[in-house]
Amino acid sequence: GAVVSQHPSRVICKSGTSVKIECRSLDFQATTMFWYRQFPKKSLMLMATSNEGSKATYEQGVEKDKFLINHASLTLSTLTVTSAHPEDSSFYICSARNGDYGYTFGSGTRLTVV
Amino acid sequence: GQQVMQIPQYQHVQEGEDFTTYCNSSTTLSNIQWYKQRPGGHPVFLIQLVKSGEVKKQKRLTFQFGEAKKNSSLHITATQTTDVGTYFCAGKERDTGRRALTFGSGTRLQVQP
Repeated sequence: GAVVSQHPSRVICKSGTSVKIECRSLDFQATTMFWYRQFPKKSLMLMATSNEGSKATYEQGVEKDKFLINHASLTLSTLTVTSAHPEDSSFYICSARNGDYGYTFGSGTRLTVV
Repeated sequence: GQQVMQIPQYQHVQEGEDFTTYCNSSTTLSNIQWYKQRPGGHPVFLIQLVKSGEVKKQKRLTFQFGEAKKNSSLHITATQTTDVGTYFCAGKERDTGRRALTFGSGTRLQVQP
């Protein structure tokens, strides 16, 4: 149990376009999901906490207008990188907590902005 | 804000040697979790420790939570090539109501066959 599906796994987009990343909890409900960003050989940095039915909570320094988060249902959270630029290229990972299974992570999305 | 550091940053061992990574938090934690991330993969939950001084074992892996609930360690006995990856500790601050985990800086383990 406790599977989190994230897609796309890899995306290349042009500068100035927007990219949407989806994170779904497949066999459990998640009122809260978390979005992380990871640079090569670095740790996971929390970007925001996604709350079902309400606004996301963003970490200090993360632009909420740049990284739009929507958590419309108990099984789906989306992260939209708006007007992407090369510096937004990174590995984005979502996670959700499921009882005793700790925090289950999606497989991640590698975003490359060209 | 809360900081979670891990040492060493990187360790290269011969297969069969032991390995230990240490995790230190700047604040007291309600619990600590450990994750393993293989190269190119995503973090996978290994274990959670909740009680002060708790020790848990999973086959060759031994996890320990410090008495003050500010530090933790992961020890691998007789490493195998399948142990390659980055090991992260992650904790939640006690008494803050913060739901998100703060991840440690990670220790990258390389095992030479």
